[in-house]
Amino acid sequence: EAGVVQSPRYKIIEKKQPVAFWCNPISGHNTLYWYRQNLGQGPELLIRYENEEAVDDSQLPKDRFSAERLKGVDSTLKIQPAELGDSAVYLCASSLFPGGNTEAFFGQGTRLTVV
Amino acid sequence: KNEVEQSPQNLTAQEGEFITINCSYSVGISALHWLQQHPGGGIVSLFMLSSGKKKHGRLIATINIQEKHSSLHITASHPRDSAVYICAVRGVSNYQLIWGAGTKLIIKP
Repeated sequence: EAGVVQSPRYKIIEKKQPVAFWCNPISGHNTLYWYRQNLGQGPELLIRYENEEAVDDSQLPKDRFSAERLKGVDSTLKIQPAELGDSAVYLCASSLFPGGNTEAFFGQGTRLTVV
Repeated sequence: KNEVEQSPQNLTAQEGEFITINCSYSVGISALHWLQQHPGGGIVSLFMLSSGKKKHGRLIATINIQEKHSSLHITASHPRDSAVYICAVRGVSNYQLIWGAGTKLIIKP
């Protein structure tokens, strides 16, 4: 089992450019999360999917961020246009179910640097 | 006040020492997670607890639901244990993880 796979691992872009991150969750995991982690802080939830439905996107900055999970498997997170403050690590996680006693598995993350 | 507090924020110890990292929370939870994050790396789940104690190798995690407190212990610490250890709790009314700020652990040889 490959675990949660994210790509790219690192991305450097100029401000105002678009960027996209990709996540392949563990096979069979219905729940997928995107988190943003700023340096020295804990991850912040951006969006949670149950299958292909975004059930919690209250913390996603919708003016510039968008996400999709077509067919309830892979997911992409897009930022357009990127701002300097978007520099962070973007983590994807998946779990079998959304409940409290279900373990979440994390990808390696994508470190985004906006210059 | 943060809903999840970890202590210490930073910890440096010598190889072989017994390590304790503490986590206190102020909300009702359905589970508590201990996770490990290496520099530049992703997050690895170490334990998921809802009661009692769990052990995996040199790692031990305990939780006291009444006191809303959990501890992560590392026995016979090794330089490869150097990482950030994060406590996160999952609330009873939603499925969002509430994260502590992490404890940066450095084990010197």
